[in-house]
Amino acid sequence: DGGITQSPKYLFRKEGQNVTLSCEQNLNHDAMYWYRQDPGQGLRLIYYSQIVNDFQKGDIAEGYSVSREKKESFPLTVTSAQKNPTAFYLCASTRGQVFYNEQFFGPGTRLTVL
Amino acid sequence: DAKTTQPTSMDCAEGRAANLPCNHSTISGNEYVYWYRQIHSQGPQYIIHGLKNNETNEMASLIITEDRKSSTLILPHATLRDTAVYYCIVRATDNAGNMLTFGGGTRLMVKP
Repeated sequence: DGGITQSPKYLFRKEGQNVTLSCEQNLNHDAMYWYRQDPGQGLRLIYYSQIVNDFQKGDIAEGYSVSREKKESFPLTVTSAQKNPTAFYLCASTRGQVFYNEQFFGPGTRLTVL
Repeated sequence: DAKTTQPTSMDCAEGRAANLPCNHSTISGNEYVYWYRQIHSQGPQYIIHGLKNNETNEMASLIITEDRKSSTLILPHATLRDTAVYYCIVRATDNAGNMLTFGGGTRLMVKP
């Protein structure tokens, strides 16, 4: 079955540690996105990538980094520079750059920094 | 992209139609209306989108007013599994990066 996988579902880290969240898709989608969601809030865009080896900052990129070495993978690193990293992180992908294409979301990773 | 306004929460009886309103009074001619929903602790799910004509699919119907300043998402026979947060999003055709901007959404509670 095609889809987006994120792992792990729950992640705990100590303050000051970098952590990398995995996002993989087998939908052959060109574009991939990372969003952050805080309790009771909507999603906010962190980074997005429209093509391999290229990515752009979203609204809240500070303290995060990404890479897009393969079409199917878009890992997100939460660095120690992110002041409040505890949140629900969602990865999404879409086919090409056609504006009306729907975004497909993964199940999310809940990160807790202790 | 134009901003949207939605009620914070709504209740609906199981089996009845759920009508979720969205105000987008500053929408421009090249902006579409999209609806996504998010069941608790899951990723959002696409429901439907439209420009100016009413749209229907297997999940819902989208009614857009003639002046396009507001729209209503209709779930014709709500079930308990439709309990979720529903997001109304307006997106332009020239939206670089094909990004979505999520507001607070409407928390729909379907009750037995």
